[in-house]
Amino acid sequence: GQQVMQIPQYQHVQEGEDFTTYCNSSTTLSNIQWYKQRPGGHPVFLIQLVKSGEVKKQKRLTFQFGEAKKNSSLHITATQTTDVGTYFCADPNTGFQKLVFGTGTRLLVSP
Amino acid sequence: DAGVIQSPRHEVTEMGQEVTLRCKPISGHNSLFWYRQTMMRGLELLIYFNNNVPIDDSGMPEDRFSAKMPNASFSTLKIQPSEPRDSAVYFCASSHSRGSTDTQYFGPGTRLTVL
Repeated sequence: GQQVMQIPQYQHVQEGEDFTTYCNSSTTLSNIQWYKQRPGGHPVFLIQLVKSGEVKKQKRLTFQFGEAKKNSSLHITATQTTDVGTYFCADPNTGFQKLVFGTGTRLLVSP
Repeated sequence: DAGVIQSPRHEVTEMGQEVTLRCKPISGHNSLFWYRQTMMRGLELLIYFNNNVPIDDSGMPEDRFSAKMPNASFSTLKIQPSEPRDSAVYFCASSHSRGSTDTQYFGPGTRLTVL
């Protein structure tokens, strides 16, 4: 079945360091979404990528969609303690809005 | 505007008891999703509805789980009888389906503990 894997599962960085999480799908994606879940919170939508090779930025966050549309990455420049949480990529499956969430990358940032 | 509303926020029950989780989606959204999150299995889609009709319930673990959406503003997820392995955070999410993949808005979740 469809699988969406993320690496690493967990990363602990010092504030100011960069961070990257990678999302890999076993199938070609039509588009991909990214969500962030703070500790004790719920997933919150960050962004959607649609085009092959697309790059989008949100302040210190840079999202990229692979040329083959089978992988994606999220890069955070100069992490802050507010970046703590778990980052999920989500693959839209066929049908009505169904999303398959990746395994998630948990980020811990020490001050 | 109010977001997705879930109740209760926390539920502690004993094995064998019936548990009912409730969700009110964002007004105007026509798709509703129930997820379960655990450390071991991550975020799993249990079932989703479009225009109040269940579209895919392949993620429902077993017959002990059932979900209903009697109208556009209310859904329930019921577990009967509950078991300790059902302990998890259950999220409800809604979206405005327009034929493409749109943003899902999650509720705060219900943390269920089955003793």
